[in-house]
Amino acid sequence: QKEVEQNSGPLSVPEGAIASLNCTYSDRGSQSFFWYRQYSGKSPELIMSIYSNGDKEDGRFTAQLNKASQYVSLLIRDSQPSDSATYLCAVAVYNQGGKLIFGQGTELSVKP
Amino acid sequence: DAMVIQNPRYQVTQFGKPVTLSCSQTLNHNVMYWYQQKSSQAPKLLFHYYDKDFNNEADTPDNFQSRRPNTSFCFLDIRSPGLGDAAMYLCATSRDRAIRGYTDTQYFGPGTRLTVL
Repeated sequence: QKEVEQNSGPLSVPEGAIASLNCTYSDRGSQSFFWYRQYSGKSPELIMSIYSNGDKEDGRFTAQLNKASQYVSLLIRDSQPSDSATYLCAVAVYNQGGKLIFGQGTELSVKP
Repeated sequence: DAMVIQNPRYQVTQFGKPVTLSCSQTLNHNVMYWYQQKSSQAPKLLFHYYDKDFNNEADTPDNFQSRRPNTSFCFLDIRSPGLGDAAMYLCATSRDRAIRGYTDTQYFGPGTRLTVL
């Protein structure tokens, strides 16, 4: 079993819709969770971090964390074509030197 | 603007010819990381420096080395590149490894795309 799993997609949504991206992780010691956006050929760009169970909102983005289910998700409201990218989920275990374990990423395509 | 800079952005080398990739940061962060990302794969941590303390990942090949001469700069040396080393190399920095018990946020530079002929 992979340590961090994401559906590779592509996930296609129409402009203005809600995009839902999911991530599961295997290490129950994980305590820090990050979502990065990566455009083709570019480096990862931080969208948001989440550390506690529940929802965290930042503009059009909402991260949701459920440690009991070992599940973290990212919702993008009012999706725009400029949101089309690969979204990487990254998970860190405390006292592992800041090491991030990345999922394979989910490719999102927002159609005008 | 404070940022993470990588040079060159594109590097072409020949099989077996040593190559050095550079990363610099104006964020004054204590930690600098090197990740390797192959096409359509997740970034994979190679090693990191916490200040001057070097931390190698167990599965990082000996072919990969790193130097951090000062807070601002960090180098990735590939001693004898093979075809399998073609990838995007990402430098990331964070203020610390953990803040109040949680892993600190890492900020990535633009990356260097390495081609091995």
